Amino acid sequence: AQSVTQLGSHVSVSEGALVLLRCNYSSSVPPYLFWYVQYPNQGLQLLLKYTSAATLVKGINGFEAEFKKSETSFHLTKPSAHMSDAAEYFCAVSPGTASKLTFGTGTRLQVTL
Amino acid sequence: DTEVTQTPKHLVMGMTNKKSLKCEQHMGHRAMYWYKQKAKKPPELMFVYSYEKLSINESVPSRFSPECPNSSLLNLHLHALQPEDSALYLCASSHVVVAGELFFGEGSRLTVL
Repeated sequence: AQSVTQLGSHVSVSEGALVLLRCNYSSSVPPYLFWYVQYPNQGLQLLLKYTSAATLVKGINGFEAEFKKSETSFHLTKPSAHMSDAAEYFCAVSPGTASKLTFGTGTRLQVTL
Repeated sequence: DTEVTQTPKHLVMGMTNKKSLKCEQHMGHRAMYWYKQKAKKPPELMFVYSYEKLSINESVPSRFSPECPNSSLLNLHLHALQPEDSALYLCASSHVVVAGELFFGEGSRLTVL
């Protein structure tokens, strides 16, 4: 079985500051890991994915994440936050099939001036 | 602009009504999904269709009835719902073999009175 834990249901950063959203996974098989973003009143959009190739994954909107097997982590970072980054972020894990995607509980990112 | 289109965006219905949610995609994806999302919670998988056949039913009550008329369309028929069924219903699609990379619609917000 796979699961992900997102530490911090709410993160607040100043505009221009580093964004760090934490995700730890548990998986009995090599996992596929994902970050999705959900803006208010919208569906989810894929930010980036790890599928056992490069451990540092670059996504859209300047986000990236690093897969660290030793720490069972897949934290999401962005060097400089922008007001438009304010949204809900979900980490997700899959055993390798599209259908069984398990989401974390989400982290709401607030960006302040 | 999302490539998965859901209608209606908002729906209010009584507990005795029958209504349907509709989803359409033209990306050639052969897997389609229904998710339910309550406020401040992650999406929960309800149904998965693969090549127009129901492949996963996550023990969803029979008052929710999915239908996949063709590879581009996915419906969710609603009957005798309860107020606790009020939620955002998200449709998604994916390539069958690409793990976890889902394309979501903007959702249909359902209110059951």
